[in-house]
Amino acid sequence: DAGVTQSPTHLIKTRGQQVTLRCSPKSGHDTVSWYQQALGQGPQFIFQYYEEEERQRGNFPDRFSGHQFPNYSSELNVNALLLGDSALYLCASSFGEWGIDTQYFGPGTRLTVL
Amino acid sequence: KQEVTQIPAALSVPEGENLVLNCSFTDSAIYNLQWFRQDPGKGLTSLLLIQSSQREQTSGRLNASLDKSSGRSTLYIAASQPGDSATYLCAGARRGGATNKLIFGTGTLLAVQP
Repeated sequence: DAGVTQSPTHLIKTRGQQVTLRCSPKSGHDTVSWYQQALGQGPQFIFQYYEEEERQRGNFPDRFSGHQFPNYSSELNVNALLLGDSALYLCASSFGEWGIDTQYFGPGTRLTVL
Repeated sequence: KQEVTQIPAALSVPEGENLVLNCSFTDSAIYNLQWFRQDPGKGLTSLLLIQSSQREQTSGRLNASLDKSSGRSTLYIAASQPGDSATYLCAGARRGGATNKLIFGTGTLLAVQP
């Protein structure tokens, strides 16, 4: 059973560019959340998708957007990249709208903005 | 605003020692608390999930407790091994909106010396 997968593993972009990160949830999971983890910090919630809809956003600007597909996979898009967007981006999946079960995290995508 | 605090920020112990990591949270309305392990540059591995109706969970050498009344959780690691060296993160979740949005602490960096 494949766990949560993310692609790419690493990414280097320059300021002002746009980036798309991808996530496939664990088999049987239908809810996907995205987190940003800056160096030395705990992950910060970006947003969550359930049934192809964004359920809630964290304190992130509109430059951060996402999408969930019918197969429950998800994309995170970041426009107009800033140096401060450099971080590890983590995707987590769980089952069900109320999410009472464990969240499973992928290995992350390391984004470096130069 | 819920805040999650972890103490200590870093800990170094000799192999074989029993140790306790602490997590405190300001919002007693959480419905579960999860402990994660993170190796350098990697994603998060779920260790233990404690529902609000539970007081503790055990997995092998790990035991996590939850005291909602005091807003505290502890992770107890018995007979520590060098392979336990990692950052340990606790995260709380509460109902409402993104019902399993996790609020993370900044982690405890554990080094177990052989």
